[in-house]
Amino acid sequence: QVQLQESGPGLVKASETLSLTCTVSGGSISSYYWTWIRQPAGKGLEWIGRIYPTGSTNYNPSLKSRVTMSVDTSKNQFSLNVNSVTAADTAVYYCARAPSWNYGRFDYWGQGTLVTVSS
Amino acid sequence: SYVLTQPPSVSVAPGQTARITCGGNNIGSKSVHWYQQKPGQAPVQVVYDDSDRPSGIPERFSGSNSGNTATLTISRVEAGDEADYYCQVWDSSSDHYVFGTGTKVTVL
Repeated sequence: QVQLQESGPGLVKASETLSLTCTVSGGSISSYYWTWIRQPAGKGLEWIGRIYPTGSTNYNPSLKSRVTMSVDTSKNQFSLNVNSVTAADTAVYYCARAPSWNYGRFDYWGQGTLVTVSS
Repeated sequence: SYVLTQPPSVSVAPGQTARITCGGNNIGSKSVHWYQQKPGQAPVQVVYDDSDRPSGIPERFSGSNSGNTATLTISRVEAGDEADYYCQVWDSSSDHYVFGTGTKVTVL
């Protein structure tokens, strides 16, 4: 059974960089798009970006200037960096998987991790 | 950018049918996916590619998509169906994913 697990600091200071890692177990990281999605408390889902194992990326235009994603196929992990964070970046961050043969949908999600930006 | 609009809330009595709409410009030309999210939990896919169900999802969940509206239908609603529901598409014109605004389903 495929499992995704987010990890990283739960508290980040304003103006600093938020860094999260998603570890994939129970399956290969190949042949899938790996995605980050976030959800502020009481609000909807916002797509942040995706990465393919080759390193190819797509980012949400609203965040593109501050976001970087990377992948480590040897560790079955992919990562997210968001720089110059503000209180508006406080949210639950999810990692999710999209099959390359049907990349429009997310078939597996991590449980989510809460990141709070403090002033 | 592409926008998906959902009603904020839908209320339904147990045993009845809930219909959740997702409006978008010519959404019928896209594949629509639906997710259920219960409080404190990650979203779970309940319908993909307009009308297919992942393994383990009850047949009570069904979907359709035509014109400018996609619809998730929950038949014979149960108390356990109370959750937020989100539609989602891949916008090929901009190469990014779009989520709907979300609908809270309340079982009366």
